[in-house]
Amino acid sequence: AQSVTQLDSQVPVFEEAPVELRCNYSSSVSVYLFWYVQYPNQGLQLLLKYLSGSTLVESINGFEAEFNKSQTSFHLRKPSVHISDTAEYFCAVSPSFHGAGSYQLTFGKGTKLSVIP
Amino acid sequence: DTGVSQDPRHKITKRGQNVTFRCDPISEHNRLYWYRQTLGQGPEFLTYFQNEAQLEKSRLLSDRFSAERPKGSFSTLEIQRTEQGDSAMYLCASSRGPGEPQHFGDGTRLSIL
Repeated sequence: AQSVTQLDSQVPVFEEAPVELRCNYSSSVSVYLFWYVQYPNQGLQLLLKYLSGSTLVESINGFEAEFNKSQTSFHLRKPSVHISDTAEYFCAVSPSFHGAGSYQLTFGKGTKLSVIP
Repeated sequence: DTGVSQDPRHKITKRGQNVTFRCDPISEHNRLYWYRQTLGQGPEFLTYFQNEAQLEKSRLLSDRFSAERPKGSFSTLEIQRTEQGDSAMYLCASSRGPGEPQHFGDGTRLSIL
């Protein structure tokens, strides 16, 4: 079984400041890792994913996350946030091979990012 | 690629009524997942299909919940004899195959009066 802990439920940050949203996971098997973003009254949009290879992954809108296997973390960072980044962010894991499950996602409770003008 | 479509977006019903939600996945995605999201929580996995086969349903919340995916295309999630605790957002996701990233619809928000 997998579990995900998002250490901050809310993160306020001023516009153009850097931000880090923390995510730690627990799993007895190897995992894939994801960050999703959710705007009000909408579904989740995939922001970035780590499947294998380079431990640093980037999105098209300036976010990046680094997979740290020894610390079982996958923190999300952005060097300069915009008002439009205000949303809720979810970290998720799935087993990386079928024998350990159906590839269903296990989510954290989410972090609400509020960008202050 | 038109995205995952869910219908209706909102459903308000009285306790004890049956409700059915529909999900149309991205075409050619053979995996389809259902999740439930309650206020202040991340989505919680319910069930999934590989084509028309429902391969995992032990996580459905009770025997009042059932899902189908006839012909491996769209899927329906039915809740019978709804209860107050069923109020939540029900999300559908699809993926191209095992281990591929899941793409979510906008969800159906269920409110039980």
